[in-house]
Amino acid sequence: IAGITQAPTSQILAAGRRMTLRCTQDMRHNAMYWYRQDLGLGLRLIHYSNTAGTTGKGEVPDGYSVSRANTDDFPLTLASAVPSQTSVYFCASSDSAREGFTEQFFGPGTRLTVL
Amino acid sequence: GEDVEQSLFLSVREGDSSVINCTYTDSSSTYLYWYKQEPGAGLQLLTYIFSNMDMKQDQRLTVLLNKKDKHLSLRIADTQTGDSAIYFCAETLMDSSYKLIFGSGTRLLVRP
Repeated sequence: IAGITQAPTSQILAAGRRMTLRCTQDMRHNAMYWYRQDLGLGLRLIHYSNTAGTTGKGEVPDGYSVSRANTDDFPLTLASAVPSQTSVYFCASSDSAREGFTEQFFGPGTRLTVL
Repeated sequence: GEDVEQSLFLSVREGDSSVINCTYTDSSSTYLYWYKQEPGAGLQLLTYIFSNMDMKQDQRLTVLLNKKDKHLSLRIADTQTGDSAIYFCAETLMDSSYKLIFGSGTRLLVRP
């Protein structure tokens, strides 16, 4: 069982280019999330999806889009990358919360540098 | 709005106890969590506490919750070099999504 996989592991991208970060989970979790991690700022939620076919905006959604065509995949797209999007991106998934408890499982991350 | 705050850095000597502190704002959170991030990896759930508990102990880990002050702490006894990591406090956002709100993370450095 792989859990959550992300691709690519790292990427250097020219500003203005379009980029899609891939995320796949094999745990049949309903919910999926995209975070960015920046030094001193912790994890900030970009977009999330509670179930296939639905998505929602997180804390820092501008410049990013997502889709959830099926349960397993949750790609994150940067339509026109800017240097401020240089970060480490983590995908996560979780089962539906039970009585308020939820555990999120994280992928290994994608390190993105926008020049 | 919701906010979770932590100090950014803690350095301890191997064998000593480590205490990582966190303050949160949403008093309706039913669970509070500690996640651990080892170098170059994603986060993993380390432990959690239900909001009606004051303390939870799990081997070398002790979680203390002060609901009145909205203060959460993680104590690691007999800290080892393998405990060097970033520790994130998180609370559940009590809307229909049950999203987690993470703190900024505390980097723990264990000196030999």
